Amino acid sequence: QKEVEQDPGPLSVPEGAIVSLNCTYSNSAFQYFMWYRQYSRKGPELLMYTYSSGNKEDGRFTAQVDKSSKYISLFIRDSQPSDSATYLCAPRSNAGNMLTFGGGTRLMVKP
Amino acid sequence: EAQVTQNPRYLITVTGKKLTVTCSQNMNHEYMSWYRQDPGLGLRQIYYSMNVEVTDKGDVPEGYKVSRKEKRNFPLILESPSPNQTSLYFCASSFGGEAQPQHFGDGTRLSIL
Repeated sequence: QKEVEQDPGPLSVPEGAIVSLNCTYSNSAFQYFMWYRQYSRKGPELLMYTYSSGNKEDGRFTAQVDKSSKYISLFIRDSQPSDSATYLCAPRSNAGNMLTFGGGTRLMVKP
Repeated sequence: EAQVTQNPRYLITVTGKKLTVTCSQNMNHEYMSWYRQDPGLGLRQIYYSMNVEVTDKGDVPEGYKVSRKEKRNFPLILESPSPNQTSLYFCASSFGGEAQPQHFGDGTRLSIL
């Protein structure tokens, strides 16, 4: 079993839809949770960053962490075609200096 | 403009022919790292460097070498490339470590025949 799992998709939604992207992990030591967005032919870019459990909102994006069930979510409201990309979750623990990336979920938002 | 620059962007080569992928950043970041990205496996760290002359292995270091002689540069060396090193490679940098926002280059697509 991989340490971080994501459904690879593709997830196809109409413009304006609410999107839910999810990630599960197995390492209970993970404390920091990051979401990276990767456009085609580009490197990943950091989208959101949360510490421990709870929610964090940034514009149309909300990151949610449930450490009891080891479940991470990224919600996108009013999705736009420009949101079409691959979304990678990347948790890490307090100790060490290594992120563990999920395989990514490819999202397509159709106009 | 703040950026991480990788060269070459694309390379097709043959087994056993030594190659170097260069990475340079202009943000004065201490931390730099190399990843490979393969379908279904996500990003896996190859090597990282906390500062000049300080490097360490990541998850998948076999078959690779790195050096960090200057703060801005972190080349990835494949001494004797093999087909299983065919992949998409990314260099990244940040202040203070991997938990900090990392800036990624646009990738190098390597094909080894």
